[in-house]
Amino acid sequence: KNEVEQSPQNLTAQEGEFITINCSYSVGISALHWLQQHPGGGIVSLFMLSSGKKKHGRLIATINIQEKHSSLHITASHPRDSAVYICAVSRLIQGAQKLVFGQGTRLTINP
Amino acid sequence: NAGVTQTPKFRILKIGQSMTLQCTQDMNHNYMYWYRQDPGMGLKLIYYSVGAGITDKGEVPNGYNVSRSTTEDFPLRLELAAPSQTSVYFCASSFQWHHNSPLHFGNGTRLTVT
Repeated sequence: KNEVEQSPQNLTAQEGEFITINCSYSVGISALHWLQQHPGGGIVSLFMLSSGKKKHGRLIATINIQEKHSSLHITASHPRDSAVYICAVSRLIQGAQKLVFGQGTRLTINP
Repeated sequence: NAGVTQTPKFRILKIGQSMTLQCTQDMNHNYMYWYRQDPGMGLKLIYYSVGAGITDKGEVPNGYNVSRSTTEDFPLRLELAAPSQTSVYFCASSFQWHHNSPLHFGNGTRLTVT
């Protein structure tokens, strides 16, 4: 079992739908990152959070530390949201902070 | 403000050849990282640096070398390219260590070794 599990692996939706991508992790963490990887390959940081909820435009990220779970929501989805969304957790391993990445969720929004 | 700039975008190498992937950032970040991304896998850390003159191995350092002579530049060198090094490589930087600071990524270098 991977330390960071994302679900679903692939998601196809229609424009305008509300999207939820989930990230579960198995150990205590210092912070959690949500990243977006565009079809052209570039990676952009969307959120970094260690508690609660953050919002930026149509994107909302939440984290539940007790349940070791985070969600990324996209409201009023648009074809330009089509990308791979990656969850990564910062955690202490053998005295050093390590960043462990999930495998990503491929999102396709159809017009 | 260019952020993190990687060159080249694409490269094809023959087995045994060497090359340097360039990475530069203009945000005065102390922390820089090299990752590789293989199909179906999460990004894996190759090397990282916490400041000029300081580098350390990540999870998958074999076959690679780095240097950090300036704050801005963090090149990654492949000395004897092998097919197992076919991957997409990303350079990233952050103001503080990644548990305190978001990461800024370059656009990636797609490397094929044949």
